[in-house]
Amino acid sequence: QVQLVQSGAEVKKPGASVKVSCKASGYTFTRYGITWVRQAPGQGLEWMGWISAHNGDTDYAQKLQGRVSMTTDTFTTTAYMELRSLRSDDTAVYYCARIELTAPYYYGMDVWGQGTTVTVSS
Amino acid sequence: DIQMTQSPSSVSASVGDRVTITCRASQSISSWLVWYQQKPGKAPKVLIYGASSLQSGVPSRFSGSGSATDFTLTISSLQPEDFATYYCQQANSFPLTFGGGTKVEIK
Repeated sequence: QVQLVQSGAEVKKPGASVKVSCKASGYTFTRYGITWVRQAPGQGLEWMGWISAHNGDTDYAQKLQGRVSMTTDTFTTTAYMELRSLRSDDTAVYYCARIELTAPYYYGMDVWGQGTTVTVSS
Repeated sequence: DIQMTQSPSSVSASVGDRVTITCRASQSISSWLVWYQQKPGKAPKVLIYGASSLQSGVPSRFSGSGSATDFTLTISSLQPEDFATYYCQQANSFPLTFGGGTKVEIK
């Protein structure tokens, strides 16, 4: 079945970096993009960015520019999201989701990972 | 960026009630709108895409309508498993943006 499986929970100190993985299976990885969404405790959904699994193109949310990097490994069908210079307000559940390669993203984020909790605390 | 405004932010309803949630985009997004349902501790799941197309496996009591800037999600007869938070999301262009969410609670 089509699924995305994310890496486990992380606890980091302010200023550190975190790298979350998202392993895809059950579909042709390079025919889709992967988008990352985070959700702070008790808050709504925040789009972080997108990467094409076809050619590695990326588009990041402006507020995270310079701190976030998204990559893919087509051999292992795994996507990665790295967030640097962590702050307490980066504490959130981070989700990866499958999405189309080109706009409009008609079907939305149709397959989601289970989420990875990242806690930033001194 | 396209701003998405959802209302109400919460609604109390009883099993069997009809519930309507609205979503307004700050500019026209044609029919490029997606509705999600999220339960506590779980990832969101797609209910409606393309403003009005029902995702496979989603019960027919869910329906979506609208175009351009104004959209609606309707639950025709609320069931116990429908108590959750609902989000709209514009699928027109990056940055993708979500509405603030509507929590559907038991009355």
